[in-house]
Amino acid sequence: GQNIDQPTEMTATEGAIVQINCTYQTSGFNGLFWYQQHAGEAPTFLSYNVLDGLEEKGRFSSFLSRSKGYSYLLLKELQMKDSASYLCAVDSSASKIIFGSGTRLSIRP
Amino acid sequence: GAGVSQSPSNKVTEKGKDVELRCDPISGHTALYWYRQSLGQGLEFLIYFQGNSAPDKSGLPSDRFSAERTGGSVSTLTIQRTQQEDSAVYLCASSLPGGPVEQFFGPGTRLTVL
Repeated sequence: GQNIDQPTEMTATEGAIVQINCTYQTSGFNGLFWYQQHAGEAPTFLSYNVLDGLEEKGRFSSFLSRSKGYSYLLLKELQMKDSASYLCAVDSSASKIIFGSGTRLSIRP
Repeated sequence: GAGVSQSPSNKVTEKGKDVELRCDPISGHTALYWYRQSLGQGLEFLIYFQGNSAPDKSGLPSDRFSAERTGGSVSTLTIQRTQQEDSAVYLCASSLPGGPVEQFFGPGTRLTVL
């Protein structure tokens, strides 16, 4: 079957670093997305990993290990506005993108 | 340019009624997706359109759900004989063909079935 797992909730402190993990088991794999979704809003694209390794984009970095079926999203220098849900999604075929349930991140001052 | 738009933004209906949800994708985006998101949950894939190809309907939860895309642009998701469990936010996304296929999401339609 298709399965994507990520923690339901996480809490971190403003200015700190947080890592959100995602493991997946899918019948196909083209790449892995991370999306950010603020409460009541639509998801917005953060990153897309195809190859193994770390890709950095400003305060956000995303890592992929295809052999382990594992990815993480790393957020540095956390700001209050980073409080949101972070969705891991696998591009499993030409037409189907499978989303995890999301990790709700709360930032405390 | 304009992003993905959806209408209505909110829809309240009675159980058993039919509803139509509309999505206007970004101009030039040939790929269009419909998702459903229940409160506090992730996105559930419903259906995918790509150009003139036959749509991937594998995510539709029952035969009460159908979708069409006219002229390769606007799409309508129809839910017949709505049930309370259909209550959710219905999100539409569009993307360019090929990859990586970053999706651009609309604001969603919040459907409440009483």
